Amino acid sequence: DVKVTQSSRYLVKRTGEKVFLECVQDMDHENMFWYRQDPGLGLRLIYFSYDVKMKEKGDIPEGYSVSREKKERFSLILESASTNQTSMYLCASQGSPEQYFGPGTRLTVT
Amino acid sequence: QQQVKQSPQSLIVQKGGISIINCAYENTAFDYFPWYQQFPGKGPALLIAIRPDVSEKKEGRFTISFNKSAKQFSLHIMDSQPGDSATYFCAASIEAAGNKLTFGGGTRVLVKP
Repeated sequence: DVKVTQSSRYLVKRTGEKVFLECVQDMDHENMFWYRQDPGLGLRLIYFSYDVKMKEKGDIPEGYSVSREKKERFSLILESASTNQTSMYLCASQGSPEQYFGPGTRLTVT
Repeated sequence: QQQVKQSPQSLIVQKGGISIINCAYENTAFDYFPWYQQFPGKGPALLIAIRPDVSEKKEGRFTISFNKSAKQFSLHIMDSQPGDSATYFCAASIEAAGNKLTFGGGTRVLVKP
């Protein structure tokens, strides 16, 4: 069965902290995605990766970076967390063409 | 600029009724249109999807209707059940461009028993 796991379900960080969100998939997929979900805005693409060490900016990359050192793991990094980055963060791994989502990390920045 | 517009934002329907959610898109290059269902505390999961070469696709109680000329597609949930209470997202992508999904804003559906 398809599985996408995210390192934390809930996270509370202070403004200015560096935050790491990790995502792991067990399907040997090449493409992986990070979205943020906000009420009324749906899911917005932050970054995606189509291979190890390959990444491309999505629609809202400002304030974020990513790392993909291994095929199964895709990390989202908030270099200096700000309150406007309080959101639900969803990772997805892509089959063909379906995307499989993790359960999400609800991040609160105070 | 939101390329996929979804309406309504929320919907209340009685058990056994029909839930209808509409989406409109702008980019005529989109060629894959999935609907995702999300329960509280869970990530979205693919419900049903359609490609523009067909006008309708049905899976159980869920039907997608697609109107290419109007650049619109909709989800119909027939005989709605309380277990269908969830948030539904339409999306669109271009398969040749890596299938990056552009999502609508979501519709929260509540089915009353």
